Amino acid sequence: NAGVMQNPRHLVRRRGQEARLRCSPMKGHSHVYWYRQLPEEGLKFMVYLQKENIIDESGMPKERFSAEFPKEGPSILRIQQVVRGDSAAYFCASSPTDASYEQYFGPGTRLTVT
Amino acid sequence: GQNIDQPTEMTATEGAIVQINCTYQTSGFNGLFWYQQHAGEAPTFLSYNVLDGLEEKGRFSSFLSRSKGYSYLLLKELQMKDSASYLCAVRDRGGSYIPTFGRGTSLIVHP
Repeated sequence: NAGVMQNPRHLVRRRGQEARLRCSPMKGHSHVYWYRQLPEEGLKFMVYLQKENIIDESGMPKERFSAEFPKEGPSILRIQQVVRGDSAAYFCASSPTDASYEQYFGPGTRLTVT
Repeated sequence: GQNIDQPTEMTATEGAIVQINCTYQTSGFNGLFWYQQHAGEAPTFLSYNVLDGLEEKGRFSSFLSRSKGYSYLLLKELQMKDSASYLCAVRDRGGSYIPTFGRGTSLIVHP
């Protein structure tokens, strides 16, 4: 049973470009969470999605960031017009239900903005 | 929201026992998690406590005191591979069950 998959693992973008990060949850999981981790800091929650629904986006910056989890295909975290401060590791996690206490994390995408 | 504190770094010797503490403040406690994260890798789930007491799982144990807002992760018979960051996370009763993570404790195990 494949775990949570994220791609790309490493992404380099110049300032002003767009970054698209993909996450495929574990088989049977319909709840996806995105986190950002800056060096020497903890995981910061960004957004929680179910298929075709955003459940909680309280951690998402108001501008330039968006997320979706379509009926078919992976969840996408999109960052428009990237800036150097967006450089971080972005982790996706999934769970089978909303009340599950355990989240399974993917390997992360390391975004570097030059 | 929550306020979570854990030491930034700890060192220990192979074969020894180490205790990593976590204190938290929350308006409505609904569970505490410990995750292990090796450098450059994904966090992996270690334990979940929602009731007071000690949960033992092999070499790792986790303790919770809700009245004190306190938890610890106990690692016994330390191995070099235990060198990693240990993340404490607390879930609040309100909202969408999203845990808030502390900054993590970097554990370095020496031979």
